[in-house]
Amino acid sequence: GNSVTQMEGPVTLSEEAFLTINCTYTATGYPSLFWYVQYPGEGLQLLLKATKADDKGSNKGFEATYRKETTSFHLEKGSVQVSDSAVYFCALLHMDTGRRALTFGSGTRLQVQP
Amino acid sequence: DTAVSQTPKYLVTQMGNDKSIKCEQNLGHDTMYWYKQDSKKFLKIMFSYNNKELIINETVPNRFSPKSPDKAHLNLHINSLELGDSAVYFCASSPTTDYEAPYNEQFFGPGTRLTVL
Repeated sequence: GNSVTQMEGPVTLSEEAFLTINCTYTATGYPSLFWYVQYPGEGLQLLLKATKADDKGSNKGFEATYRKETTSFHLEKGSVQVSDSAVYFCALLHMDTGRRALTFGSGTRLQVQP
Repeated sequence: DTAVSQTPKYLVTQMGNDKSIKCEQNLGHDTMYWYKQDSKKFLKIMFSYNNKELIINETVPNRFSPKSPDKAHLNLHINSLELGDSAVYFCASSPTTDYEAPYNEQFFGPGTRLTVL
């Protein structure tokens, strides 16, 4: 079946540090890949997405590249801010089975200190 | 304008009670979902409806029953609540389950935090 594995958190960084949150997936075929963010006390927001191999999703300074050869979709940001503190979820959507529900990773909490 | 709304935002109740959570989307989407987020933040699909028809029904106790009166609404009714039902429940919607679509972005509601005492 489909699965998503994320690095465990929390990840604690100082402001302006470089961020990487690792995400790898298991799926047959060509799933679409997503990063969602959940700020404290709020719902999930789509951060970025990629629908095919070598696509790069980007938003708000965050980037992730769909790497089929390594089945990865790592999230990166060059300079984090305190306001980026949140839980980040990697997710996949597999089209082949007709099933449209997202499969989520376990989430990675990011804490950015001033 | 709220795209996907849920009521209530917080729900505190006693074991054994029956409760409902309501979800509405004003995006004109065909498909709606319920996800459960446990205390460790893990998110898992529970149900999905497409145009009022149930298309995903994960291994969820029979005490949970989704109801879709129209394609803009998907409510979740829970009978005989148990302590383990305490979680945050998220409703979501997406445009279509059209097989030809390259992807279907899902839009999430703010969540309902259910606490069973």
